[in-house]
Amino acid sequence: SQQGEEDPQALSIQEGENATMNCSYKTSINNLQWYRQNSGRGLVHLILIRSNEREKHSGRLRVTLDTSKKSSSLLITASRAADTASYFCATPGYSTLTFGKGTMLLVSP
Amino acid sequence: DVKVTQSSRYLVKRTGEKVFLECVQDMDHENMFWYRQDPGLGLRLIYFSYDVKMKEKGDIPEGYSVSREKKERFSLILESASTNQTSMYLCASSPFGGLTEAFFGQGTRLTVV
Repeated sequence: SQQGEEDPQALSIQEGENATMNCSYKTSINNLQWYRQNSGRGLVHLILIRSNEREKHSGRLRVTLDTSKKSSSLLITASRAADTASYFCATPGYSTLTFGKGTMLLVSP
Repeated sequence: DVKVTQSSRYLVKRTGEKVFLECVQDMDHENMFWYRQDPGLGLRLIYFSYDVKMKEKGDIPEGYSVSREKKERFSLILESASTNQTSMYLCASSPFGGLTEAFFGQGTRLTVV
């Protein structure tokens, strides 16, 4: 069962630009997490935002959460070629995490 | 640093073979998970375990089984491999299920021929 859905499916930008990806989910959540996956590799945790938080920052990452709209966004500022990866949102289920299908980000030099 | 290690990065097996994918974590986490990842389908949960010898089915358990005899090790077993099980398999662990971050292994790309 897919809880979160990322949008867009793919995003192509130039280095230095900002990248924004969105996640919508269906049911009430305790927290929402974002992960990055470099091609052919495992996922790496980026940030966790709790349901009582509206915004969270980590370096060049900014995550927002709107529980009334059941949506979250991940903003990467001043993108670099090394940010090229797939980005997934994840929501907690019964002792597990449910992932969306991801947004594929391509940052060109 | 938490480390989750999967036994193989790439694996090629024949149809009908019994296949074992091994995963070991070094942080004493209670919860361990097996996902498979396919293009256009994202990550889908196969099985998870919240304690030694405990296991729960995920969304797509058919054709798979698991074993957790020790806390640090979680094995995924393909009883009789089929070509539709060709996929990327990802193991993960976490201390508190979905309430905290999960740590992933590097993935095993399995091809069944």
